[in-house]
Amino acid sequence: QKEVEQDPGPLSVPEGAIVSLNCTYSNSAFQYFMWYRQYSRKGPELLMYTYSSGNKEDGRFTAQVDKSSKYISLFIRDSQPSDSATYLCAMSSWGKLQFGAGTQVVVTP
Amino acid sequence: GAGVSQSPSNKVTEKGKDVELRCDPISGHTALYWYRQSLGQGLEFLIYFQGNSAPDKSGLPSDRFSAERTGGSVSTLTIQRTQQEDSAVYLCASSWGDLLNRETQYFGPGTRLLVL
Repeated sequence: QKEVEQDPGPLSVPEGAIVSLNCTYSNSAFQYFMWYRQYSRKGPELLMYTYSSGNKEDGRFTAQVDKSSKYISLFIRDSQPSDSATYLCAMSSWGKLQFGAGTQVVVTP
Repeated sequence: GAGVSQSPSNKVTEKGKDVELRCDPISGHTALYWYRQSLGQGLEFLIYFQGNSAPDKSGLPSDRFSAERTGGSVSTLTIQRTQQEDSAVYLCASSWGDLLNRETQYFGPGTRLLVL
């Protein structure tokens, strides 16, 4: 069993819809939780970074962490075609990141 | 300022040949990481350098893989006697090495390696 599980998708939504992404994990030692966005043929780009359970909001993006359920989510409001990318969750303890497989998101105009 | 750069962008090689992949981290970043991303897979950790400490090589898949970091800056990942299963995108990332910022990693664009 992988330490981090993420549905690879693809997830297709119409422009303006809410995109909902999630990951589950098994290692309770993880302390830091991140979401990266990766466009085709580019390196991952850090979107959101959280340390504790709860919600964190940044513009159209909201990250949720539920440590008791070992479950994290990313919501993208008012999705745009430019949000079409692969979204990778990542989590770590002491600097070594474990990544999910990534979910491909397609936002159609 | 400049981000993480990697070279070459693409590399095609024949099975059995050695390849070297280069990473230039963000200036001042003391931590440097190498990852491998295969099609449809997440990023697989390979090796981690932090300052002058001994590198964490726990992710290297075989002894054909090695990496070094000279002068605390540029790093080279070497794959000897390449195999077709080594075909992947090799990503480098760097970060500040302190505990508060170590998880905030900045990635380069990657080197796409194809072994024929």
